[in-house]
Amino acid sequence: DAGVIQSPRHEVTEMGQEVTLRCKPISGHNSLFWYRQTMMRGLELLIYFNNNVPIDDSGMPEDRFSAKMPNASFSTLKIQPSEPRDSAVYFCASSLGLGRGAAKNIQYFGAGTRLSVL
Amino acid sequence: GENVEQHPSTLSVQEGDSAVIKCTYSDSASNYFPWYKQELGKRPQLIIDIRSNVGEKKDQRIAVTLNKTAKHFSLHITETQPEDSAVYFCAASGYGGSQGNLIFGKGTKLSVKP
Repeated sequence: DAGVIQSPRHEVTEMGQEVTLRCKPISGHNSLFWYRQTMMRGLELLIYFNNNVPIDDSGMPEDRFSAKMPNASFSTLKIQPSEPRDSAVYFCASSLGLGRGAAKNIQYFGAGTRLSVL
Repeated sequence: GENVEQHPSTLSVQEGDSAVIKCTYSDSASNYFPWYKQELGKRPQLIIDIRSNVGEKKDQRIAVTLNKTAKHFSLHITETQPEDSAVYFCAASGYGGSQGNLIFGKGTKLSVKP
């Protein structure tokens, strides 16, 4: 398996533009997580899905951020309009699923998307 | 909700010495505690994890200990090598409605000097 695949790897855009980040989880994984990483705030959970359904989006900073998971193999994180303070590395991660199973909680991260909003 | 505190934020050791990173958590129902290593410009990668039914786990030079009563857990790296230099994150997994989501500490930047 190629692991969690994110695209693009780098994105440079101007303030006010729409940005769409994409993620393909590991095949067979039922949970998908979006994180944002900055020097100041560390690794923050934005939203996570289980079986394509959003479970907790309390980490989404504001209405400019939205995430979808139309099927088990694809998710998007959209920022509209983007602002310079959105500049960060955005990671997607997937796991087998939620619950107390031995291997379910292990999260595998994608390579991340480095977003720069000018 | 869960809150994870991690200390120290930076740690510098000489090659061959041991390094210890400590984390505390707030939710007594948390039952899964992984540690991730993130090298510069790379993704976080799981290096070891522990569940609440054990107190210690070892994997070669790496060990993790868990004290459920005190709600803290620690990462121990022995015989450190320059390639151990990275940022290390601890995390705790929620339970109940938030099963499976990880709450991360702020990270510890470990520097191993040759």
